[in-house]
Amino acid sequence: GEDVEQSLFLSVREGDSSVINCTYTDSSSTYLYWYKQEPGAGLQLLTYIFSNMDMKQDQRLTVLLNKKDKHLSLRIADTQTGDSAIYFCAESVTNAGKSTFGDGTTLTVKP
Amino acid sequence: GAVVSQHPSWVICKSGTSVKIECRSLDFQATTMFWYRQFPKQSLMLMATSNEGSKATYEQGVEKDKFLINHASLTLSTLTVTSAHPEDSSFYICSARAGALGYTFGSGTRLTVV
Repeated sequence: GEDVEQSLFLSVREGDSSVINCTYTDSSSTYLYWYKQEPGAGLQLLTYIFSNMDMKQDQRLTVLLNKKDKHLSLRIADTQTGDSAIYFCAESVTNAGKSTFGDGTTLTVKP
Repeated sequence: GAVVSQHPSWVICKSGTSVKIECRSLDFQATTMFWYRQFPKQSLMLMATSNEGSKATYEQGVEKDKFLINHASLTLSTLTVTSAHPEDSSFYICSARAGALGYTFGSGTRLTVV
């Protein structure tokens, strides 16, 4: 079945860039998402990318996709303490179907 | 933007009782809603796909008689945990496809069974 993997922890200093990596196995994944989860809260969609794109930039967020290697990354520029949260990558084959989530990367931003 | 309202945010119930969790799409119609369960420090596990007007589709290993899902309208889906036990304690989250892209998630329900 589909599998999505992420590193579990990342710690950066405020003002630095953060890069969270994700790999997936399903070559038919068409939609790839990044979600943010703050403690005790639901998931917030941060950004998404289609599989026919290599990069997408949205303010401080940059998503890079290497479809050949099935590797997805999320770069947060000028990381702030408010960015501390768990970040999940997810994939789905269709835009109406279920998503498969990675285990989440806990980002800790130190002042 | 699209909002999914989930209630209650948290609930404590006695073992053996049933608990109902509601998810409402506030400004859009959700033909399909997904119900996830999240254990502490773990990812989301899809439990079932809720389809308006038809039976829910459960993932392998999820007991459909224990986790009753009803999706009677385009804006409301409910998950009822029947005869809850301490091992059912978890964080339950619903989501719905909002527009052409992406999913909107509810804020989650923390269930504690004592």
